Amino acid sequence: QQQVKQSPQSLIVQKGGISIINCAYENTAFDYFPWYQQFPGKGPALLIAIRPDVSEKKEGRFTISFNKSAKQFSLHIMDSQPGDSATYFCGASNYQLIWGAGTKLIIKP
Amino acid sequence: NAGVTQTPKFQVLKTGQSMTLQCAQDMNHNSMYWYRQDPGMGLRLIYYSASEGTTDKGEVPNGYNVSRLNKREFSLRLESAAPSQTSVYFCASSGGRVDTGELFFGEGSRLTVL
Repeated sequence: QQQVKQSPQSLIVQKGGISIINCAYENTAFDYFPWYQQFPGKGPALLIAIRPDVSEKKEGRFTISFNKSAKQFSLHIMDSQPGDSATYFCGASNYQLIWGAGTKLIIKP
Repeated sequence: NAGVTQTPKFQVLKTGQSMTLQCAQDMNHNSMYWYRQDPGMGLRLIYYSASEGTTDKGEVPNGYNVSRLNKREFSLRLESAAPSQTSVYFCASSGGRVDTGELFFGEGSRLTVL
C-alpha cells in the first residue's frame, strides 16, 4: 500500500513532442506529490509538486495532472527539448516520501 | 554556495571492510537524509534525521549506521560491507517538514563492494 508505481521505465520522444510519465498509488493518506528530475552524475532536483486539492499545476512547459479518484498523477512535458533528457522520479508522501522507480527520458533532436 | 557536499565521490571496498560516507550542508536545514539508488528501484531511504540529535530508520536500514554530528553534518557508516551494498548513495537535506519539504541532494557517492 506504500508503493508508488511509475511508468514507463523508459521513453523516447521527438524534439517538440509531448512527454508523458505516469504514476499510481494506493495509500489515500498521501497528501503531497512531487516530481524530481535527475541528470547523469547529479542528484535529483525538485521539478514541480502538487497537493490533492488541485487537479492540475503548471510551471512553464511542465504540468502535473492529478486524478484523486483514480489515485493517479502524471507529468506532461510540452515542446520537449534535448535538454529535458534525464531521469524523472515521482513521489508520494504523508509522513514519509515514497519514490517511484524512475523513468529515463530521451528527447531525440 | 555549496549546498550539500558528499565525500568520497567514488569508493571501492572489499567484502567485510568498513567505511564512512560524509555529508555536510550549508543551508542551515534541520532535516537530513541518506538514500541509496539502484537501477529500476528508485530512491530508497536508509536513515534520516529530522533535527540535530535525532535519527530514525528508513526503508532499508540494515547494515548501516548514521551519526548526526551537528546541524551541518550527517554521516553514514557501513560496518562490514557486503556486495549487496554496491549502490549510489545520496545525501539530502530539507528545511521544511520531513515529509513535504523540498529535498536538496548532493551529487552522490558511488560505492562498489567486491
